[in-house]
Amino acid sequence: AQSVTQPDIHITVSEGASLELRCNYSYGATPYLFWYVQSPGQGLQLLLKYFSGDTLVQGIKGFEAEFKRSQSSFNLRKPSVHWSDAAEYFCAGVLSGNTPLVFGKGTRLSVIA
Amino acid sequence: NAGVTQTPKFQVLKTGQSMTLQCAQDMNHNSMYWYRQDPGMGLRLIYYSASEGTTDKGEVPNGYNVSRLNKREFSLRLESAAPSQTSVYFCASSEIGAVQETQYFGPGTRLLVL
Repeated sequence: AQSVTQPDIHITVSEGASLELRCNYSYGATPYLFWYVQSPGQGLQLLLKYFSGDTLVQGIKGFEAEFKRSQSSFNLRKPSVHWSDAAEYFCAGVLSGNTPLVFGKGTRLSVIA
Repeated sequence: NAGVTQTPKFQVLKTGQSMTLQCAQDMNHNSMYWYRQDPGMGLRLIYYSASEGTTDKGEVPNGYNVSRLNKREFSLRLESAAPSQTSVYFCASSEIGAVQETQYFGPGTRLLVL
């Protein structure tokens, strides 16, 4: 079955530290992959997306993600986390044809001083 | 430009009651979606409408009906609410429904079924 997996339910990092959130997908020779962020009590906002070309994708708020086909991964990174980055992060993908977008279960990020 | 709006923001229902969740977008998008979000489950697609006049089932359609009233509005109806439908419901839209498109989300409706 097509799926998007986020192995980490909750991650805590110190402000100023680097961040990497993991995302793996199953199936899909040419997946379309997305990272969304959800601030508390809000809807989801797109951070970045990948569907072809350069495997390192730049997004908003200083985030980037790298598509690695050999590892079926699309990990999200940020070099220096700010307290305002505390939120829930969702990886999502369209894994074949015109199937609907499939979301991972989310990773909650906490930022400590 | 309000984007995607949802009403109500919060609702409490008793088991067996019915209600309609409203969604509207002002971005002239063709495609609209309804998701539910449950703790530890991510977002799951309930129904979607690729264009005005069409609707299709998503991953978890049971217990729900939808209406694409016009290009702007896409409503979700619970005919007989059950406690299992306690959730946060998000409406989203995208320009033409192409796989690489960004979906734009509303702020959500928090529903509690007692």
